[in-house]
Amino acid sequence: GAGVSQSPSNKVTEKGKDVELRCDPISGHTALYWYRQRLGQGLEFLIYFQGNSAPDKSGLPSDRFSAERTGESVSTLTIQRTQQEDSAVYLCASSRRDSPSTEQYFGPGTRLTVT
Amino acid sequence: AQSVAQPEDQVNVAEGNPLTVKCTYSVSGNPYLFWYVQYPNRGLQFLLKYITGDNLVKGSYGFEAEFNKSQTSFHLKKPSALVSDSALYFCAVRDVSSASKIIFGSGTRLSIRP
Repeated sequence: GAGVSQSPSNKVTEKGKDVELRCDPISGHTALYWYRQRLGQGLEFLIYFQGNSAPDKSGLPSDRFSAERTGESVSTLTIQRTQQEDSAVYLCASSRRDSPSTEQYFGPGTRLTVT
Repeated sequence: AQSVAQPEDQVNVAEGNPLTVKCTYSVSGNPYLFWYVQYPNRGLQFLLKYITGDNLVKGSYGFEAEFNKSQTSFHLKKPSALVSDSALYFCAVRDVSSASKIIFGSGTRLSIRP
């Protein structure tokens, strides 16, 4: 079946502009996660959604970052007034449920470059 | 607080030789442990996980990992490396006893030379 998809694959934007990144999880996966991966570094947790529960936003680095999810489907990550330090690969992952033992399935990522 | 460490940024191995990618962890309770692999220009792929039971876990592409509770380690191993194993490997940990999030290590770049 189809895996996690993300769009766009690459985004170049000017400093100060807003960007919106999209994630389509695997159908039936109730949990959805966003991560940031800076060049040469590990994954930095941003936010996760589990069904209809309130999202865990504890990883969002500033109030310029926000995310929404429609039911158990598409999610969008929005970065307002982008800064150069926002340049990174943004990864989305989904899992059948948010259980500690459940592995996550990752999308290919969106490479964001802020000039 | 939970954490995971991958002490080697890069591991270089000749094709056909055994490989080990190291991972140590710290959790307050019992751990769930994972290995993921990231091939160039692709997303992370799940390799294997330790939940409970046998300390030696076998996963995709001939990889295995050994859970060692006394040393708080979960090293990734393969008996005979292939050039196609060259990739970025991430270890991850999650505390069984809490609603904590999964924590990823900083990654180890594995390079297999022909």
